[in-house]
Amino acid sequence: GQNIDQPTEMTATEGAIVQINCTYQTSGFNGLFWYQQHAGEAPTFLSYNVLDGLEEKGRFSSFLSRSKGYSYLLLKELQMKDSASYLCAVRDGDYKLSFGAGTTVTVRA
Amino acid sequence: ETGVTQTPRHLVMGMTNKKSLKCEQHLGHNAMYWYKQSAKKPLELMFVYSLEERVENNSVPSRFSPECPNSSHLFLHLHTLQPEDSALYLCASSQEDRGPGEQYFGPGTRLTVT
Repeated sequence: GQNIDQPTEMTATEGAIVQINCTYQTSGFNGLFWYQQHAGEAPTFLSYNVLDGLEEKGRFSSFLSRSKGYSYLLLKELQMKDSASYLCAVRDGDYKLSFGAGTTVTVRA
Repeated sequence: ETGVTQTPRHLVMGMTNKKSLKCEQHLGHNAMYWYKQSAKKPLELMFVYSLEERVENNSVPSRFSPECPNSSHLFLHLHTLQPEDSALYLCASSQEDRGPGEQYFGPGTRLTVT
């Protein structure tokens, strides 16, 4: 089966940096995705990593180490609107996306 | 309409009812998905359709029956559901041709089974 672990909750201050870790053990690997989901809304795509290294996109960056089965999402210059759940998901086949349970990030003033 | 739309947004049904959830994508994608999201649990993939053919069926009970009449529409037919089937049902679509595509999600249908 698939095993994707990420912390349940994190709290940080506005303007700070938060790093959300994700470890995975899957039967196959065809890329790792990060999604953001605000309460009561649909998940929205943030980033995709398939090769080792760091992908930067504005205030958000995502890192992947395939040999360690590890990724992180880095959120910089936190804003109140970044309060949401962040979902780590591994593509382990042609179509299948396996999700972690999500990390709820609360940004405080 | 843009993106992925789902109707209804909320549904309350008894265990003996039959209802259908509808999803429509306006993105020209060639793959569509049904997911179940329960509180505090990971998103669970239920069904995948690629070019209107079912390519994944994750051991979902037969009381859930998908239908994909064309590449833009996806239905989930519900029959004789149980209270534990109450959840948010999300539809998604993606373009799969030059490697894995990011999935675009609809707003979901909040289902309550009484």
